[in-house]
Amino acid sequence: DAKTTQPNSMESNEEEPVHLPCNHSTISGTDYIHWYRQLPSQGPEYVIHGLTSNVNNRMASLAIAEDRKSSTLILHRATLRDAAVYYCILRDVRGYNAGNMLTFGGGTRLMVKP
Amino acid sequence: DAMVIQNPRYQVTQFGKPVTLSCSQTLNHNVMYWYQQKSSQAPKLLFHYYDKDFNNEADTPDNFQSRRPNTSFCFLDIRSPGLGDAAMYLCATSRDLGTGDTDTQYFGPGTRLTVL
Repeated sequence: DAKTTQPNSMESNEEEPVHLPCNHSTISGTDYIHWYRQLPSQGPEYVIHGLTSNVNNRMASLAIAEDRKSSTLILHRATLRDAAVYYCILRDVRGYNAGNMLTFGGGTRLMVKP
Repeated sequence: DAMVIQNPRYQVTQFGKPVTLSCSQTLNHNVMYWYQQKSSQAPKLLFHYYDKDFNNEADTPDNFQSRRPNTSFCFLDIRSPGLGDAAMYLCATSRDLGTGDTDTQYFGPGTRLTVL
């Protein structure tokens, strides 16, 4: 299975942008890059996903390197509510029985300072 | 709002005493998952249902079983809980996109299990 590597923790100031990196050097051509986050005492929630092109949604932006061996989740203005563990996950979408499950790695604990 | 509901949020059981955790969803998703999350660790998939088809992860202990009587409900049964089974248990759902892939997963708030 393709693996991801993320820093254990990061700090940010409130209302400043945050760039959360993820390395996935063994990514295959059929792996989508998914990001989920888990706020304290809650279940994980979907943030964003992409394949090759950069993606934007109301929560965040995803910047994917040209060789796809790394990606960066961008929170444009961090708020205290964004303090969470952020998981970068690779999902193979070749077919239901080819590994479409989410395999969570260690994640990055983001701390936001007021 | 449509959502994934887990009851109870906190469950205390005794060592060796069977316990059942429940999950319900109003999303009408055909795939349901159970994850185990131990303290300071990432969630780990135990098994999932694709409609009525049960799919067990290879390393899920036999002590863990699951039932899905209908689309909306799914249960996690722990036959003989040990101290090492104390964890947060997360239920999630997703929608079959009809292409062989499934959509993003929606998680419930989890049930925190304590084993005395």
